[in-house]
Amino acid sequence: QKEVEQNSGPLSVPEGAIASLNCTYSDRVSQSFFWYRQYSGKSPELIMSIYSNGDKEDGRFTAQLNKASQYVSLLIRDSQPSDSATYLCAVVGAAGNKLTFGGGTRVLVKP
Amino acid sequence: EPEVTQTPSHQVTQMGQEVILRCVPISNHLYFYWYRQILGQKVEFLVSFYNNEISEKSEIFDDQFSVERPDGSNFTLKIRSTKLEDSAMYFCASRQQANQPQHFGDGTRLSIL
Repeated sequence: QKEVEQNSGPLSVPEGAIASLNCTYSDRVSQSFFWYRQYSGKSPELIMSIYSNGDKEDGRFTAQLNKASQYVSLLIRDSQPSDSATYLCAVVGAAGNKLTFGGGTRVLVKP
Repeated sequence: EPEVTQTPSHQVTQMGQEVILRCVPISNHLYFYWYRQILGQKVEFLVSFYNNEISEKSEIFDDQFSVERPDGSNFTLKIRSTKLEDSAMYFCASRQQANQPQHFGDGTRLSIL
């Protein structure tokens, strides 16, 4: 069973601070990694994709991938109350098809 | 920006009844998916569809489930005889090419009574 693990939180951060989220995965040959944001009762919304080791920045978001250690992380800089949501880590395995999701980390940004 | 659309947004059905959930993927996308999320649980893969056939399915996707692409735009999920445990949010997703991100529709909340 290929697993994706996240700390469920809640991760409470003050407005303007950096939120740091981590995700580990068990399938060593996973090839694609995604972060989705999910507001309560809504669908997953893609915020970042990363495919190779290192950092990838997009606005206030930075994704980091370390395939040797089998983890992927997400940094949210200058956190805003609107960033309060559950962040889902999702991985595509060697077959290159379906997404396997982690349970999500709930982030609360306090004004 | 193109988006995946799903109908209905909420479906209430009696146990044992058939239900069809509908999706219109993004128009130039080639890969189509159904996922479900039981309240408070992970998003789970159900089935993927490519080139007019199922490419992969999970253990959840048993004989009670079927998918169809009846025309060039719609992608449907049918549950033949619904059970209480089928109550969940069902998400349709699509992507353009292999290794591209999947984009999700707003989901259908299925409630089985």
